[in-house]
Amino acid sequence: EIVLTQSPGTLSLSPGERATLSCRASQSVSNSYLAWYQQKPGQAPRVLMYGASRRATGIPDRFSGSGSGTDFTFTISRLEPEDFAVYYCQQYGSSPSAFGQGTKVEIK
Amino acid sequence: QVQLVESGGGVVQPGKSLRLSCAASGFTFTTYAMHWVRQSPGKGLEWVSVISSDTSSKHYADSVKGRFTISRDNSNNMLFLQMNGLRDEDTAVYYCARSGYGSSWYHWYFDLWGRGTLVTVSS
Repeated sequence: EIVLTQSPGTLSLSPGERATLSCRASQSVSNSYLAWYQQKPGQAPRVLMYGASRRATGIPDRFSGSGSGTDFTFTISRLEPEDFAVYYCQQYGSSPSAFGQGTKVEIK
Repeated sequence: QVQLVESGGGVVQPGKSLRLSCAASGFTFTTYAMHWVRQSPGKGLEWVSVISSDTSSKHYADSVKGRFTISRDNSNNMLFLQMNGLRDEDTAVYYCARSGYGSSWYHWYFDLWGRGTLVTVSS
């Protein structure tokens, strides 16, 4: 069973800054089957990226993802006020699918 | 409007049963595998169960296998989760979710989520 570790736990940044989040897998994620989600308080998660680097429908291009194997990165090029939230990675290359514990991006 | 709306959550004693429902609208329900995913403060996000579009295949997380049963009614665009033998650790918000574009069996992410329904197992 693959375990995902996200870092940092919390990222304190200002609007306009760049956010870089990491997701490390305990084993290689096949086919780079890794997704990223955004979750705001009281809301369901929303998919942003899938296949490590593919943006989901309607997602702005300030969001990007990269990586393969065991190391994946999610980047927000310039933080907008609505981007402050918790972000989760999920691997779906092997069963059971698993989520990371989340990275909170908060306003500095 | 494309949406999923869950219902049926509540407070239940350990060992009891509960049935969750999810109403789908705005998309062709019959062409998607559908899932239940839960979220608790202690365990985070956890995939629970999946059912194929034609109901022929089902799969469960080890933590719920033998206690939970997933089903769907394609005539009415509904997804269900029958939860028996509930335990304290089943306390969570339960989300109904749709398999994302490009997903295949055992390789799924989730591109549409409901708002969730809270299940609390407590004596």
